[in-house]
Amino acid sequence: RKEVEQDPGPFNVPEGATVAFNCTYSNSASQSFFWYRQDCRKEPKLLMSVYSSGNEDGRFTAQLNRASQYISLLIRDSKLSDSATYLCVVPSSGGYNKLIFGAGTRLAVHP
Amino acid sequence: SAVISQKPSRDICQRGTSLTIQCQVDSQVTMMFWYRQQPGQSLTLIATANQGSEATYESGFVIDKFPISRPNLTFSTLTVSNMSPEDSSIYLCSASRQGPEQFFGPGTRLTVL
Repeated sequence: RKEVEQDPGPFNVPEGATVAFNCTYSNSASQSFFWYRQDCRKEPKLLMSVYSSGNEDGRFTAQLNRASQYISLLIRDSKLSDSATYLCVVPSSGGYNKLIFGAGTRLAVHP
Repeated sequence: SAVISQKPSRDICQRGTSLTIQCQVDSQVTMMFWYRQQPGQSLTLIATANQGSEATYESGFVIDKFPISRPNLTFSTLTVSNMSPEDSSIYLCSASRQGPEQFFGPGTRLTVL
């Protein structure tokens, strides 16, 4: 099993839609999880950190299911500016400070 | 977070040459890392840059090909040596402080002819 797996998409949704991405991870000892956003030809930027069962920031909600080893990112009321690639990131089993990046899920929000 | 800059932002190089990429952080950080991101792919960790000692390389990456320096807590360099077209990629520097969250520089886009 890969350390991090994501649905690559693309997800094509209209403005205002609600969209959810899932990510599975293999390291059951992981205590922290992250969602990064990467715009085309830009560096990844931290979107959310998840240390407990979940986190919410405005239209974005991240949820963690430790029993099933997956985390999800929910985006409500999608905006055109949400179009990007969303990277699921977990600490490596080889070290707390090392991160493993998923392949990313592409989101395209259209008018 | 931290503000991270990288130089150069892009370069086109001839095969067999070497390029050194600089990464500067605006404040002291605990950890610094170097990643590679090939077109359409996610990030692959090359190495952890250790201050005052040799970098820790990931499987598939070696010091002779990717020498790294980190002379202090705010600066690191990555050299891509004896380049071939397969080294064409985006090279990203990142840093973290107390927690595992990492913040990235804008990247260096390298094309090897």
